[in-house]
Amino acid sequence: GAVVSQHPSRVICKSGTSVKIECRSLDFQATTMFWYRQFPKQSLMLMATSNEGSKATYEQGVEKDKFLINHASLTLSTLTVTSAHPEDSSFYICSARTNTKDIQYFGAGTRLSVL
Amino acid sequence: AQTVTQSQPEMSVQEAETVTLSCTYDTSESDYYLFWYKQPPSRQMILVIRQEAYKQQNATENRFSVNFQKAAKSFSLKISDSQLGDAAMYFCAYSNSKLTFGKGITLSVRP
Repeated sequence: GAVVSQHPSRVICKSGTSVKIECRSLDFQATTMFWYRQFPKQSLMLMATSNEGSKATYEQGVEKDKFLINHASLTLSTLTVTSAHPEDSSFYICSARTNTKDIQYFGAGTRLSVL
Repeated sequence: AQTVTQSQPEMSVQEAETVTLSCTYDTSESDYYLFWYKQPPSRQMILVIRQEAYKQQNATENRFSVNFQKAAKSFSLKISDSQLGDAAMYFCAYSNSKLTFGKGITLSVRP
């Protein structure tokens, strides 16, 4: 199956700093990538959808200035959590697909802890 | 808006036995996809099975099969010959352009 690499797997940062998470499709071109947030024992909540070369579409309630998404190529999307605060601590997961009829393949996730 | 309901938060099955995980969804669309994803303790999301709504035949992947009832908007997952490695959280999901997940069900397998 298709492979999606997400890096880093774990990050600990101080409050007020920014953190960048990368999501790469290794063996296919991803026209669309998605970013999710997951709290312990809960489901995945979609944060935003990004298409290569265009601005990301954010879900209601997600601050676009807090969570910056860049999808500069068909194999790379990044999520930057700006001025992180302890309430941003969570598990962030990316996924990628080739077209609307295709399966979403998931990265292994990033555990963010903001002190 | 589409919704996906998994009403059972937890289930347990004896190793080698069969278990069925329930899922219902609500949509006004006619063309969509349904998925079951597995999330083990590593938290890596793994695709278990996919069903295309326009196909009447139930999808099957080795020990995993679904019972897709389009009119009833029901999409249950059957796991046969359960193995210890099947223990995980299972999410039912609906897709027509983006995924909508259910709350998930935690499956434990008793040796």
